[in-house]
Amino acid sequence: EIVLTQSPGTLSSSPGERATLSCGASQSVSSSYLAWFQQKVGQAPRLLIYGASSRATGIPDRFSGSGSGTDFTLTISRLEPEDFAVYYCQQYGSSPVTFGQGTKVEIK
Amino acid sequence: EVQLLESGGGLVQPGGSLRLSCAASAFTFSNYALSWVRQAPGKGLEWVSAISSSGNRAYYADSVKGRFTISRDNSKNTLYLQMNSLRAEDTAIYYCARKLLGVGTDAAPVFDYWGQGALVTVSS
Repeated sequence: EIVLTQSPGTLSSSPGERATLSCGASQSVSSSYLAWFQQKVGQAPRLLIYGASSRATGIPDRFSGSGSGTDFTLTISRLEPEDFAVYYCQQYGSSPVTFGQGTKVEIK
Repeated sequence: EVQLLESGGGLVQPGGSLRLSCAASAFTFSNYALSWVRQAPGKGLEWVSAISSSGNRAYYADSVKGRFTISRDNSKNTLYLQMNSLRAEDTAIYYCARKLLGVGTDAAPVFDYWGQGALVTVSS
C-alpha cells in the first residue's frame, strides 16, 4: 500500500499568513488521485481538494492544491481564523486508499 | 442537505460483536458507493471498508478482513457494518462516508460527505 508522509507535523502561523503543507508518497500516485481534507476538533473531515488541484464544492479559493507523482502541496493563501485545524492528505489511486498522519495548523 | 447519521456504537468486550448503521437522507442513496472510515482516539484516519452502489461488491482493509462485513439496504437508505471478533485496536470513531461521484473507483474512493461518527470502544 502507498504510505503518505505529511510535513510539517505542526505549523504555527498567524491569521493572514500563507501556509504551505506537504504530502509525500512512498510511490507514485496514479493520475494525481490525491485529496486533501480539513478536520476540526469534534467534527468529521471535510473534503477540500481532489485530483490534486480541484477544489470541492463550496471551498474558498484561498485553498489550492498542486503536485504530481510523489510530491503534493496544499497552500492556504491567507489564513482565516476558521482555518486552524488538522489537514490530511489521502491517495485514491490504488486500493487500499490511505491517509497521511496529518498536519496541525495552529495559531502562533 | 445531504445527511449521514451513524448509530449503534458503544462499549463491547474483546471478542464481542457490534453492528453499526448509517442512515442517509437528501440524496439518491442507490446511486452512490459508500465506505466506513475510522479514527482511533487522537490518531489519524484509516479506511475500513467500501461497498458498491448496488451492494454486489465489497472491499476491506486487511486489518478487518474476515471479521467485519459491510452491507446496505437501498430500500431503507441505510448502510451497515457488522463487526465480529472485536479487538482493543478496533477502538475508534467510525464514520460512514459517501464516495464522490465520478471520481476514483468503488475500491479506491474519495469522500465528499461524512457522518458525525459513532464511537466504538473495545475494552474489558
